[in-house]
Amino acid sequence: RKEVEQDPGPFNVPEGATVAFNCTYSNSASQSFFWYRQDCRKEPKLLMSVYSSGNEDGRFTAQLNRASQYISLLIRDSKLSDSATYLCVVRLMIYNQGGKLIFGQGTELSVKP
Amino acid sequence: DGGITQSPKYLFRKEGQNVTLSCEQNLNHDAMYWYRQDPGQGLRLIYYSQIVNDFQKGDIAEGYSVSREKKESFPLTVTSAQKNPTAFYLCASSMEGAGNQPQHFGDGTRLSIL
Repeated sequence: RKEVEQDPGPFNVPEGATVAFNCTYSNSASQSFFWYRQDCRKEPKLLMSVYSSGNEDGRFTAQLNRASQYISLLIRDSKLSDSATYLCVVRLMIYNQGGKLIFGQGTELSVKP
Repeated sequence: DGGITQSPKYLFRKEGQNVTLSCEQNLNHDAMYWYRQDPGQGLRLIYYSQIVNDFQKGDIAEGYSVSREKKESFPLTVTSAQKNPTAFYLCASSMEGAGNQPQHFGDGTRLSIL
């Protein structure tokens, strides 16, 4: 089983649609959670951190369920510029070695006019 | 302005050759990381360093080497022992000691075999 598993994608949606990405992680010792966005042939960029109480940033809402080891990202009113690959990222704190990020394989989103 | 700079953007390696990828950051971050990304796959950790003069192997360290002589710099050498070096290499840094801090990435180096 992969340590971080995401919807396989790709997701093809029309402009204005609401789209949800799901992610599960296997290590219950995971401490921090993030969503990154990666454009084609570019580096990943932090989209948002994910907090236990859930958090929102404009059209983007992230949720965390520690009991189910599940993370989600909701994009409302999707724009053409939202087209990218979305990476679910989990941080493990390893004693005496600091934090280690584990990346999901990413879910590609394509927003069409 | 602050950031992480990787160079070169594109690099070609001949058989049996060692090549070094540069990563410099002026964010005053303690921790630095090297990842490899293959098409359709997630990032995999090669090496990381929490402080100067210290570094740890990641999940796929074989065929790679690093040094951390200065806080700002974390070069990665891809040695001839790495038989499949073609990939997108990403360097990242973070403020370590604060466990919830995200990592920030440089814009990557694409390495190919000649």
